[in-house]
Amino acid sequence: EAGVAQSPRYKIIEKRQSVAFWCNPISGHATLYWYQQILGQGPKLLIQFQNNGVVDDSQLPKDRFSAERLKGVDSTLKIQPAKLEDSAVYLCASTRRQGQETQYFGPGTRLLVL
Amino acid sequence: DQQVKQNSPSLSVQEGRISILNCDYTNSMFDYFLWYKKYPAEGPTFLISISSIKDKNEDGRFTVFLNKSAKHLSLHIVPSQPGDSAVYFCAARKDFGNEKLTFGTGTRLTIIP
Repeated sequence: EAGVAQSPRYKIIEKRQSVAFWCNPISGHATLYWYQQILGQGPKLLIQFQNNGVVDDSQLPKDRFSAERLKGVDSTLKIQPAKLEDSAVYLCASTRRQGQETQYFGPGTRLLVL
Repeated sequence: DQQVKQNSPSLSVQEGRISILNCDYTNSMFDYFLWYKKYPAEGPTFLISISSIKDKNEDGRFTVFLNKSAKHLSLHIVPSQPGDSAVYFCAARKDFGNEKLTFGTGTRLTIIP
């Protein structure tokens, strides 16, 4: 079974630029999560999707961050405009169904904002 | 507000000995706890979990202990192997059906051959 795929793996941009990350969850997994992991901290949930609907986006900075999962499969996370403090690893995870405890993580996208 | 805390940023253990990683939490609503292991340039991978109705869960070389009254859990690895060198994250969840995980800051475990 293929794991969670993410691209790009690395991205360097200047502040005020825009950036987008892509995630393809494990086939058949209905629930998808985006996390932000700042250096020295644990992952922090940004948004959770169940199929193509948002379940929880309470910690998503909506003035600059947006995410979508239009067809209930892959997802994109966008930052516009980026700030220096957005430098982090952005992790995508998925589970087969809501309520399943084990989240499977992708390798992450490392973002550096200069 | 750090609801899940891992106070040891790093730990070094001799190969073959026991590794003990600790985690404390403050939110009494947490009822399910997980440990994830992370290698460099990879995403975290699930290791072991425990429900609040138990005080111990064992899986091979890995055992997790939960002390609800102290709001403390620990991960024991016996015997420690070089491949266990990684960052270990403790995570907690409030109730079944609400999968939002709150992670600790991680402990970097180094196994010395």
